Amino acid sequence: NAGVTQTPKFQVLKTGQSMTLQCAQDMNHNSMYWYRQDPGMGLRLIYYSASEGTTDKGEVPDGYNVSRLKKQNFLLGLESAAPSQTSVYFCASSYSGLRGEQYFGPGTRLTVT
Amino acid sequence: GIQVEQSPPDLILQEGANSTLRCNFSDSVNNLQWFHQNPWGQLINLFYIPSGTKQNGRLSATTVATERYSLLYISSSQTTDSGVYFCAVAIDQAGTALIFGKGTTLSVSS
Repeated sequence: NAGVTQTPKFQVLKTGQSMTLQCAQDMNHNSMYWYRQDPGMGLRLIYYSASEGTTDKGEVPDGYNVSRLKKQNFLLGLESAAPSQTSVYFCASSYSGLRGEQYFGPGTRLTVT
Repeated sequence: GIQVEQSPPDLILQEGANSTLRCNFSDSVNNLQWFHQNPWGQLINLFYIPSGTKQNGRLSATTVATERYSLLYISSSQTTDSGVYFCAVAIDQAGTALIFGKGTTLSVSS
């Protein structure tokens, strides 16, 4: 039981490049989330998915897109990377939405130059 | 929106000491979790505790939902306890998620 996994662990992009961060969970959770963590701050929600095939914006969605085609996977896309998107990205999942305990992946450290 | 305040912001302990971390929140919540972010950046679930008291080894937590606070107790601290402790709450409303406090940074020296 791997829990929540994320790929890649580290990534360096040039301004304007695009990429997709991948998240997978094997706990049969219904809800999945993408957060970003900036230095000295807690985590902020980018997008979430309450169930397979549905997605909604969080607090900081600009510059990102998401896809939840399978229950176990949640993808985060950066359309045209900017230095302001340099951050650590965490994926999380929970069985029963915001009432349920959330479990986090190990994070992806992204640097945009 | 809901506010989450953690105290103290920083804590320095000698190995073996006990400590209490506090989390105050400004509204009724459906979910409250405590996490430990280790020096490698990994977020480790400590407690899911929207109300009541739980214990896990040297750690225990209490949430008094009616008074809008939660406490995390660490007894007989070890150097591996070092890192940042986050409290996070949720109100189960569309468009929201876990709201994190700024954390308490704990340093335990031998």
